[in-house]
Amino acid sequence: DAKTTQPNSMESNEEEPVHLPCNHSTISGTDYIHWYRQLPSQGPEYVIHGLTSNVNNRMASLAIAEDRKSSTLILHRATLRDAAVYYCILRGLWDSNYQLIWGAGTKLIIKP
Amino acid sequence: KAGVTQTPRYLIKTRGQQVTLSCSPISGHRSVSWYQQTPGQGLQFLFEYFSETQRNKGNFPGRFSGRQFSNSRSEMNVSTLELGDSALYLCASTVLGGAGSTGELFFGEGSRLTVL
Repeated sequence: DAKTTQPNSMESNEEEPVHLPCNHSTISGTDYIHWYRQLPSQGPEYVIHGLTSNVNNRMASLAIAEDRKSSTLILHRATLRDAAVYYCILRGLWDSNYQLIWGAGTKLIIKP
Repeated sequence: KAGVTQTPRYLIKTRGQQVTLSCSPISGHRSVSWYQQTPGQGLQFLFEYFSETQRNKGNFPGRFSGRQFSNSRSEMNVSTLELGDSALYLCASTVLGGAGSTGELFFGEGSRLTVL
């Protein structure tokens, strides 16, 4: 089964960009890269996802390596509300027999 | 549009008992998946249902089971509870397939189970 690895924790200053890395060296060609974050006492919430090309949305940007074995979630200007655990996961196509594997996540600490 | 609703939010059981948790997905979502989250193990996939059929199952013992109804609501059951089953159980729904599907998971707030 494909798996992801992330640093256990990262620190950043408020209003500075944050780059959260994720390695997925065994990714298959049909796996999408998804990022979720979990605030304390809440369920995870979707942040962004991509397949091959870099992606942007109102929350963040996702940079995917050319060989797709790694990706980076970019928060352009971190705020205190971005302090959370960030999960990088792989999801296959809906009609494929896939297993959703969650990594340990990265705890992001934002310093005011 | 209402989000994913999980009930009960909190419950306490004793070893050997069984428990049933409920999940109502977002309207129109036919896929429901369940996860166990513990401080030591992180977030682990239990199983996924789509149109009343179990599509995928994680590495959990047979004491953990689930089902999905025709209205897409899902339940999971844990029999013969053990202390190690104390965890936050999360449910997520998603739209699978079709034009515009992103596979985005929408999570509920979870059911926190304490086994004494």
